[in-house]
Amino acid sequence: KQEVTQIPAALSVPEGENLVLNCSFTDSAIYNLQWFRQDPGKGLTSLLLIQSSQREQTSGRLNASLDKSSGRSTLYIAASQPGDSATYLCAVSNAGNNRKLIWGLGTSLAVNP
Amino acid sequence: NAGVTQTPKFRVLKTGQSMTLLCAQDMNHEYMYWYRQDPGMGLRLIHYSVGEGTTAKGEVPDGYNVSRLKKQNFLLGLESAAPSQTSVYFCATADRYNEQFFGPGTRLTVL
Repeated sequence: KQEVTQIPAALSVPEGENLVLNCSFTDSAIYNLQWFRQDPGKGLTSLLLIQSSQREQTSGRLNASLDKSSGRSTLYIAASQPGDSATYLCAVSNAGNNRKLIWGLGTSLAVNP
Repeated sequence: NAGVTQTPKFRVLKTGQSMTLLCAQDMNHEYMYWYRQDPGMGLRLIHYSVGEGTTAKGEVPDGYNVSRLKKQNFLLGLESAAPSQTSVYFCATADRYNEQFFGPGTRLTVL
């Protein structure tokens, strides 16, 4: 059974720091992996989608990598800003049933001015 | 282009009452989903639909029913609300690459 883990559960950093959020999954037979952002009291916003054949995706200051063999993905945020404060969620879909997502519990990020 | 919208945004029910949550999308996506989000438990899939006229059970379907009569709408019904159904409910759609797009959520309290 696929399980998704995000460590740490919470992270607090000073503004300007480069940081890495981690996501691990137990079954390497994935279809794709997605990173989302959720602001308090709001819905989820898709940040990056990595297909199983890809190694990384980039959007602005965000870079997500995927290593299927080790069951890991990282979300790199460059030059963090207070506006990056939010909860970041990772979700995978399995190759056998690629229309359902298996979710991690998220990392709550606080970027302090 | 509104994306995914949800109605209502907030609702308070008494135990035993019924209600319907509406999800509407203008993205022409075939796949639609209903999730609930609870502290410490993450997002859990209630029901989903792979196209107009189809529905399927997710991880936690008990106490909920759904209908997808039109491609753009996905309704979630609670026939007899219970305090355990107090939660934030999210609707999502997925494109052909399985990238999911979420609505703003409905905050439901059952007293």
